[in-house]
Amino acid sequence: DTAVSQTPKYLVTQMGNDKSIKCEQNLGHDTMYWYKQDSKKFLKIMFSYNNKELIINETVPNRFSPKSPDKAHLNLHINSLELGDSAVYFCASSQEGAGQVGQYFGPGTRLLVL
Amino acid sequence: AQSVTQLGSHVSVSEGALVLLRCNYSSSVPPYLFWYVQYPNQGLQLLLKYTSAATLVKGINGFEAEFKKSETSFHLTKPSAHMSDAAEYFCAVTKSNFGNEKLTFGTGTRLTIIP
Repeated sequence: DTAVSQTPKYLVTQMGNDKSIKCEQNLGHDTMYWYKQDSKKFLKIMFSYNNKELIINETVPNRFSPKSPDKAHLNLHINSLELGDSAVYFCASSQEGAGQVGQYFGPGTRLLVL
Repeated sequence: AQSVTQLGSHVSVSEGALVLLRCNYSSSVPPYLFWYVQYPNQGLQLLLKYTSAATLVKGINGFEAEFKKSETSFHLTKPSAHMSDAAEYFCAVTKSNFGNEKLTFGTGTRLTIIP
């Protein structure tokens, strides 16, 4: 069974469209994250949620809105897509607690905005 | 603020040779350090992590890393490279061992194995 899964794996869309990426983890973790990997492979945190509450919100355009219906899911909705949003988006999860360092990543969603 | 610097965006080694990927960190608090590997078109897989329990950390696939506070380094090594080691490697740092802090990544090192 996949620990952290994302759908879709590939997403090709036109500028101005609205799209969502879904993430699910079956590890029982408390915290989930979204990272963006740009064309130069640089990875940067976007958001994190702990037990459905937003705890990290880096400088991300408000066109990006994360939603966590429960602690096993963290979805990312993007409004009015722009060319610069083209990237690979990774979901990750971790368990809160002393010594529980290390995040588990999903396979990524490759978004191409035309 | 925390950061990691990976020296060398591309490293090539011959099959069977030593692999050495460099990572230096900057942190105002004791850091927790990680190495992740990303195979082509895949997600990130945790290779190993330093959590202050031991300075020499062994990971999967024969990799290990040594935390050196005096040098602010956490270099990744493998005694003998295999073709399957070809991938992108990322060093990362976080400031807490409580499991809910973001990771700050380096810019990555692409490892190429020469047959």
